[in-house]
Amino acid sequence: EDQVTQSPEALRLQEGESSSLNCSYTVSGLRGLFWYRQDPGKGPEFLFTLYSAGEEKEKERLKATLTKKESFLHITAPKPEDSATYLCASETGGGNKLTFGTGTQLKVEL
Amino acid sequence: GAVVSQHPSRVICKSGTSVKIECRSLDFQATTMFWYRQFPKQSLMLMATSNEGSKATYEQGVEKDKFLINHASLTLSTLTVTSAHPEDSSFYICSLLQGDGDTQYFGPGTRLTVL
Repeated sequence: EDQVTQSPEALRLQEGESSSLNCSYTVSGLRGLFWYRQDPGKGPEFLFTLYSAGEEKEKERLKATLTKKESFLHITAPKPEDSATYLCASETGGGNKLTFGTGTQLKVEL
Repeated sequence: GAVVSQHPSRVICKSGTSVKIECRSLDFQATTMFWYRQFPKQSLMLMATSNEGSKATYEQGVEKDKFLINHASLTLSTLTVTSAHPEDSSFYICSLLQGDGDTQYFGPGTRLTVL
């Protein structure tokens, strides 16, 4: 059974304090690893898709990386508006089915 | 990315009633839509895959007679929760595939509360 585990569950940072969120996956035949941002009471917002180990993608203060066992979401010099829950999800097999982790709740304080 | 809307955003109903949730693609035609459920502090769980013009495919443990899905057009899928009970209270979110067919874009979600 595919499993996606995210850590930490919650993370509190000071503005400007860089850090990384972890997403470990145990799946057979990874087709894609997805990162989403979810604000309270809203649907997930797409951030990145990674397909193969060694791949990296960046968007503003965020950078996602992928290895054969895990993915990291690096946040550089975060701002309070980066506060949200960050979700990762794996896609395996066919049918575009996603298996989500439980997310990391990030809070960035002034 | 794709623009997805859901209606209503929030609904409160009495136990035993049925509730219909709409998911619309506003800027392109979606042959495949997905329905998820999210309980507090838990991850999104896929309920079913909705294909335009055909029957939905339900995940294991999801009752197809309780959660009726209709994908009658390329821009609209509906989820009807029949005979809702308090344990059905949850956040229901739809998504659809766009472009290369790998990325799912999500709607804003519908908060269902069953009294």
